[in-house]
Amino acid sequence: DAKTTQPPSMDCAEGRAANLPCNHSTISGNEYVYWYRQIHSQGPQYIIHGLKNNETNEMASLIITEDRKSSTLILPHATLRDTAVYYCIVSDFTSGTYKYIFGTGTRLKVLA
Amino acid sequence: DGGITQSPKYLFRKEGQNVTLSCEQNLNHDAMYWYRQDPGQGLRLIYYSQIVNDFQKGDIAEGYSVSREKKESFPLTVTSAQKNPTAFYLCASSRDRKANEQYFGPGTRLTVT
Repeated sequence: DAKTTQPPSMDCAEGRAANLPCNHSTISGNEYVYWYRQIHSQGPQYIIHGLKNNETNEMASLIITEDRKSSTLILPHATLRDTAVYYCIVSDFTSGTYKYIFGTGTRLKVLA
Repeated sequence: DGGITQSPKYLFRKEGQNVTLSCEQNLNHDAMYWYRQDPGQGLRLIYYSQIVNDFQKGDIAEGYSVSREKKESFPLTVTSAQKNPTAFYLCASSRDRKANEQYFGPGTRLTVT
């Protein structure tokens, strides 16, 4: 079973920030939070990952709460091309379990 | 351009036939993965390989087989023993077994009738 809980769908107006939440209340100390997105019928695309500090790259920002039980992916200025399913995953690639467990993700629709 | 290629994009087979899905990468990555995705669901890990000539079962390996004879290639065979083979199959690679980022191919949609 997936270790994360995400809302099944969200809408966002084009040009506005999209804030996608994720709960991971059972996360352990060595587990990272990863975000991927999948545009319809394509392979998933890596967005960002973090352990406990907030992270930012050219695509998005990742905000992790101090207790690490939840996180938010922020797309600062959503465009129509950001319409996709977004997956939040927690995994520990240092322990010998070299795999992700995908849930069903959040289907983000960016509206014109 | 570096990346992962999967072929073909669509594949049709009759029930009872084995079929092999191709996955090639020119990223010089050590680790490669095969996932299956059913409609409306997330990805599930079938097999993964951390290095040439070595591979491990994932969560749903029954009815599938793989080989890793070359670093750049990780073909997946869907055997007749797989009870529900119709699905979207995705191949991925990462720099090594501890790398944080996996790069995915475009996928192969297999339909078995």
